[in-house]
This record gives sequence, structure tokens and C-alpha cells, in this order.
Amino acid sequence: GAVVSQHPSRVICKSGTSVKIECRSLDFQATTMFWYRQFPKQSLMLMATSNEGSKATYEQGVEKDKFLINHASLTLSTLTVTSAHPEDSSFYICSARRTGRYNEKLFFGSGTQLSVL
Amino acid sequence: DQQVKQNSPSLSVQEGRISILNCDYTNSMFDYFLWYKKYPAEGPTFLISISSIKDKNEDGRFTVFLNKSAKHLSLHIVPSQPGDSAVYFCAVSYSWGGATNKLIFGTGTLLAVQP
Repeated sequence: GAVVSQHPSRVICKSGTSVKIECRSLDFQATTMFWYRQFPKQSLMLMATSNEGSKATYEQGVEKDKFLINHASLTLSTLTVTSAHPEDSSFYICSARRTGRYNEKLFFGSGTQLSVL
Repeated sequence: DQQVKQNSPSLSVQEGRISILNCDYTNSMFDYFLWYKKYPAEGPTFLISISSIKDKNEDGRFTVFLNKSAKHLSLHIVPSQPGDSAVYFCAVSYSWGGATNKLIFGTGTLLAVQP
């Protein structure tokens, strides 16, 4: 089956530093990837849609200058949390869209737990 | 404003019995509905989906029911197994043909299946 790899699974950083999270589709090409965040006991909230070769589309209320998304290849999208602060601590999850002949499916990465001290 | 609601934050069921997880949505324009299972510190895994042209879809022990007039869907797991213990999210989309577009997730229901 299709696999999406997300790295790192856990990161702890100091306030003010930047953190990069990678999302790779391992056995299919993904022109579209999505980035979600989840706070404890809350739903997954879509942050942005990442499109290969073009700018990401951000959801309302998500700061594009703070959450930089790069989708430079068909198998890799990165999310960089710039100048992280404690309120950015959250569980970040990516998903990749696999286009098939008859349907499309989304596959999720295993998530990244970010803790900002 | 929460467009997708799972009013039961948790559910406990005996092994072998039926688990019924519920989900309500507000917008009648949603036309594709999905259920995901999630373990702690992991990404969601797809379970089953249904389009708005159907009212039931079955896959092994999992059945999803859709009541469009009530804007309600439910997931039935029978028989329930301890390995089913996880958080279950319903998700809705505007797109037909798959989970292709933006998904709006519910708040999740923690299912505990007791041996």
C-alpha cells in the first residue's frame, strides 16, 4: 500500500528557533499534500494545501510567514515553523493525495509532535 | 463554528458487541464522508467512506450509514475487538470520487473495547 513518511516524529526546540518537518510520499507521486495540526483532545485542523511547483494555499487564520511550506518535488513537502513559540506546540500531520485511475485517496503521515520550550 | 460534530467524546464497549459511533454535520453541500482511526502520536488511517448517493457502505466488520435528511452518519463495528480501541474521526468533504479535497474533521470519539 501507499506510504507517507513524516520526519521527525518528535522535536523539542527552544523558543525563537525554526523547525522543519518533512513529508514524503514513498511509492507514489503527490502533486498535492495537506498540512494539519491537532491540539490535545481536539480535531485535526487543516492549515494549508501544498501544491507541487506553486505556492501553498493557507486556511484562514494561518500565518503564511510563520508556517512556510515548500513543495519542490512530487514526493516531498516541507513545513517550516519559523521563530517557534510555546503556543506553536502541537501535533502536526501531513497527508498526500494519490491520484488513481478511478479514484483518489489521501494517505497520512505518522505526525510530528512539536514541543517549544 | 464546528461544522462536523461527534458529540460523544468517548465510548466503552464489550468485546464482541457492536460499537456505534455517531457524527453530525451542518452543511448539506457535503457530498463525501469518511471515517478514520487514529492511535496516539500517529497519523489517521482510513477506514471506510461513503458518498452522498448511497446510504450504506459495508467493509468487513465496518459499516457506515448516511442519513442525508438528518445530516447524520454513523459507523458500526461488529463484532468489536480490543484492537479497535482508538480515536475515531469522521471527516467530510465537498468532493466526489475520493478524499481529494479539503477534509473537515470531527472532534473524535475515543473507543475503548473491553476484553
